[in-house]
Amino acid sequence: DSGVTQTPKHLITATGQRVTLRCSPRSGDLSVYWYQQSLDQGLQFLIQYYNGEERAKGNILERFSAQQFPDLHSELNLSSLELGDSALYFCASSEGLEDIQYFGAGTRLSVL
Amino acid sequence: EDQVTQSPEALRLQEGESSSLNCSYTVSGLRGLFWYRQDPGKGPEFLFTLYSAGEEKEKERLKATLTKKESFLHITAPKPEDSATYLCAVRSGGSNYKLTFGKGTLLTVNP
Repeated sequence: DSGVTQTPKHLITATGQRVTLRCSPRSGDLSVYWYQQSLDQGLQFLIQYYNGEERAKGNILERFSAQQFPDLHSELNLSSLELGDSALYFCASSEGLEDIQYFGAGTRLSVL
Repeated sequence: EDQVTQSPEALRLQEGESSSLNCSYTVSGLRGLFWYRQDPGKGPEFLFTLYSAGEEKEKERLKATLTKKESFLHITAPKPEDSATYLCAVRSGGSNYKLTFGKGTLLTVNP
């Protein structure tokens, strides 16, 4: 158990809908990262927050947004969902900006 | 842009048959090379971090090494429980702290 908690484990929804994925980092970790894993692309970095502020952005679509709250948990919001958004979404956390990233078990999103 | 290529894509070994996985990378200023293990339906599990050429780290049957262009994950006398996908990732210099991952090597160890 990495100590990073992601909910829900599975999410099934329809095209055009909006969903929210939640991540609780390990105790004491200030940095949260979001990654998308698909069969053809592998693990792709989406966005990083550090102590409530956005620090780095990857290839995150404009339909996707995230935030980190004062208690350090983070949420990834996906809107206007398309079939191609179906993937595993992982959250990782680290103590600082360049420390080891520990991953949660992921949320499997299926868009039908 | 950072690039990571892992080979082979898949590897089948008999229990006890040692082998190596390769990770070739291109980065602008390496700030760490990471090996993770991922079991089906689970998140990546951290194994090793290497920072400079010549560095080596070991954990049980696994040994990771690093050169200026590639890293190897050596598996000695593997057991069926070592079956998993092994992921390599790099972090480069600058203000972006993301990890760039390879697509992984799926290792199957048969009893």
